[in-house]
Amino acid sequence: AQSVTQPDIHITVSEGASLELRCNYSYGATPYLFWYVQSPGQGLQLLLKYFSGDTLVQGIKGFEAEFKRSQSSFNLRKPSVHWSDAAEYFCAVGLTVGKLIFGQGTELSVKP
Amino acid sequence: KAGVTQTPRYLIKTRGQQVTLSCSPISGHRSVSWYQQTPGQGLQFLFEYFSETQRNKGNFPGRFSGRQFSNSRSEMNVSTLELGDSALYLCASSLEIGLGAGELFFGEGSRLTVL
Repeated sequence: AQSVTQPDIHITVSEGASLELRCNYSYGATPYLFWYVQSPGQGLQLLLKYFSGDTLVQGIKGFEAEFKRSQSSFNLRKPSVHWSDAAEYFCAVGLTVGKLIFGQGTELSVKP
Repeated sequence: KAGVTQTPRYLIKTRGQQVTLSCSPISGHRSVSWYQQTPGQGLQFLFEYFSETQRNKGNFPGRFSGRQFSNSRSEMNVSTLELGDSALYLCASSLEIGLGAGELFFGEGSRLTVL
């Protein structure tokens, strides 16, 4: 069955430090992969997506993610975290139009 | 361009009641999906509608239903509410041109509390 695992429930980083959020997926075919961010009381905003081609994808707000088929991973990275990046981050695999399977999310806290 | 609009944003109901939530998609988007978000289960897919037809449904009981109107606006209904139905219900819309371009645009959600 298709699934998405985000091993880290909560991560704390210092402002200016680098960030990597882990995501592993289980999917039989070539996956469509997404990272979304959710601020408190808000809906989800798409950070980036991978469908095919270059395995390193660039997103908004300085985020990037790398697709590694051999490891079934799609980790999200940012070289320098800002206090405004504090939020919850969700990795998802797309099954069909409108239907995504989400990971449990990783809550990011940023220390000043 | 207006985003996805969900109403009401907050509501409180008691067990056994029913509730209807509304979603207006981005203009031109014909696919509307619904998700339930809870601390314990996370984000779970409820159903997806396109051209007034339900194309996909998640693993929820029949108490959860939805519909889509000819203007692509959608409603979801939960009957005989249970305490466990307390959640943030998110609506998302997308262009129906294939998953490859199917970025979901989410509304801010309707937070339902069942007492």
